Amino acid sequence: DAGVTQSPTHLIKTRGQQVTLRCSPKSGHDTVSWYQQALGQGPQFIFQYYEEEERQRGNFPDRFSGHQFPNYSSELNVNALLLGDSALYLCASSLGWVEAGAEQYFGPGTRLTVT
Amino acid sequence: AQTVTQSQPEMSVQEAETVTLSCTYDTSESNYYLFWYKQPPSRQMILVIRQEAYKQQNATENRFSVNFQKAAKSFSLKISDSQLGDTAMYFCAFMKSRDDKIIFGKGTRLHILP
Repeated sequence: DAGVTQSPTHLIKTRGQQVTLRCSPKSGHDTVSWYQQALGQGPQFIFQYYEEEERQRGNFPDRFSGHQFPNYSSELNVNALLLGDSALYLCASSLGWVEAGAEQYFGPGTRLTVT
Repeated sequence: AQTVTQSQPEMSVQEAETVTLSCTYDTSESNYYLFWYKQPPSRQMILVIRQEAYKQQNATENRFSVNFQKAAKSFSLKISDSQLGDTAMYFCAFMKSRDDKIIFGKGTRLHILP
């Protein structure tokens, strides 16, 4: 059983560009959350998708948007990239919500570098 | 706003020793969840242990146990009989009830020495 997979592994973009990161949840999982982990910091919650809708959102600007597809896979889009967007972007999936007892399984992350 | 503080940026212990990682948090909520996550070098983050605030009994998972002091807002992780594979970054995390936003601390880098 494949766990959570993310693509690409690494990405280098220029300031002002747009980027799309992809996540495939663990088989059977229906909920996807995205986190940003800056170097030397803990992950920060960006948003969560459930039933193709954004269910919750952290303190991130509208430049960060996402989507969940009918097969539960998800995309994270970041527009107008800033140098400060350089980070490891983690996707986590669960069957249901963590508050209901579900465990989140994390992917290996996508390392985004903005130059 | 909730905050999670891990006061030990880095720790080293000998294999087979017991080590305790500290975590304090700040919240006005009465019901919430606390977690410890492990992020090994170049590997995926995994859940180590989970504690519901309404449960007085401290959670235990094999060699990992917590000391949950609700009044003191403290949630430490004890690793017994430490193994080389325990080398990792450990994150303490908080989540309000009815809310899936997990708030992470900055982490403690733990080195297990042979």
